[in-house]
Amino acid sequence: EAQVTQNPRYLITVTGKKLTVTCSQNMNHEYMSWYRQDPGLGLRQIYYSMNVEVTDKGDVPEGYKVSRKEKRNFPLILESPSPNQTSLYFCASRVLGNGYEQYFGPGTRLTVT
Amino acid sequence: AQKVTQAQTEISVVEKEDVTLDCVYETRDTTYYLFWYKQPPSGELVFLIRRNSFDEQNEISGRYSWNFQKSTSSFNFTITASQVVDSAVYFCALSEAGTGNQFYFGTGTSLTVIP
Repeated sequence: EAQVTQNPRYLITVTGKKLTVTCSQNMNHEYMSWYRQDPGLGLRQIYYSMNVEVTDKGDVPEGYKVSRKEKRNFPLILESPSPNQTSLYFCASRVLGNGYEQYFGPGTRLTVT
Repeated sequence: AQKVTQAQTEISVVEKEDVTLDCVYETRDTTYYLFWYKQPPSGELVFLIRRNSFDEQNEISGRYSWNFQKSTSSFNFTITASQVVDSAVYFCALSEAGTGNQFYFGTGTSLTVIP
């Protein structure tokens, strides 16, 4: 089954404790991205990657890091989480090129206390 | 400036009523793509439709229809004879050929269908 998986699905952590949210896709997509969803703000792009070792900032990259060492994986790293990073996070992938729809993972609900 | 505007934050309708969700976009590109996604209460994001800027034909898929009008920069979504299962948050999104690697989402419209 073609899918995007994220782990963990739920995470409660404390300020400053480094964490990683994993994302993996099995569709051989070149393009992967991370979004955060907040009430009243919709989905905002954090980072995206067009291929292995190629990453770029989206609209809200501050406080996040990513890496793309393998085509299928695109982890999101919060080196020092803060309460304002409490959010619902989605990973997505798609075929590289204009106009292709994105396939989203199930989401990770992160709470930083 | 917001590239995609969904002015309706929340809408409630009674089952079997028709409902239209508005989406207005802003772009200077001549080639762009518009999308609608559905987010049911379970939280996943489900792709509904894609439209490119050169195809202004309206589309119908069962009870769903989409009206794309370049003259008003709108890509509205109508659900006919709404059902409780249509209750969800609906997002409109824009992708520009010039910046084809970024998606711009609207803030979403929360639709509640009352039985």
